[in-house]
Amino acid sequence: EIVLTQSPGTLSLSPGERATFSCRTSQSVSSSYLAWYQHRPGQAPRLLIYGASSRAAGIPDRFSGSGSGTDFTLTISRLQPEDFAVYFCQHYGSSPTFGGGTKVEIK
Amino acid sequence: QVQLVQSGAEVREPGASVRVSCKASGYTFTNYYIHWVRQAPGQGLEWMGGINPNGVSTRNAQKFEGRVIMTRDTSTSTVYMELRRLTSEDTAVYYCARGVAATMTTYFQHWGQGTLVIVSS
Repeated sequence: EIVLTQSPGTLSLSPGERATFSCRTSQSVSSSYLAWYQHRPGQAPRLLIYGASSRAAGIPDRFSGSGSGTDFTLTISRLQPEDFAVYFCQHYGSSPTFGGGTKVEIK
Repeated sequence: QVQLVQSGAEVREPGASVRVSCKASGYTFTNYYIHWVRQAPGQGLEWMGGINPNGVSTRNAQKFEGRVIMTRDTSTSTVYMELRRLTSEDTAVYYCARGVAATMTTYFQHWGQGTLVIVSS
């Protein structure tokens, strides 16, 4: 099973700041199978990025994904109030696995 | 539009079973796998398994083998997830999710609203 490790566990930022999240996989994976989700309390997860760098439909362009091999990154260029949430990466292979999540909180 | 509507919250005692339903609409039910993902309090997302509503092919995470059963009813476009031999560690919000292709290996574009399952004596 591929293990996904996200860092940091928590980010304390102010609206308008840039947020960068890391997702490291325990073995090299195809970037075609790496996704990012946003999860707000009480809501279902929301797909942001698939294929490591493709934005899902309706996702603002302040969200971007990059990376390859074992290191992947999600960036929010300028945090909006609605972006304070938890972010998960996922490897969607034959046995999908999720990272532990990064919480973005208001500083 | 694609919708996944789940059944309501459940409370069970340890050792019991629970069945959660996920009713799909807005697409051809038999064309896409439905997956189950859960989130325990303070924990991350955990994939449990998936079912192909077309051929009743299922694949479960090793952790849940022998304890989770996924079934489907094509007449009502509903998928069911039954979890047996519950313990307090099964207290979680359970989500169903659908991918974007007719294979197991897809990201999850569509999600149900979640079902809270509480296991307590």
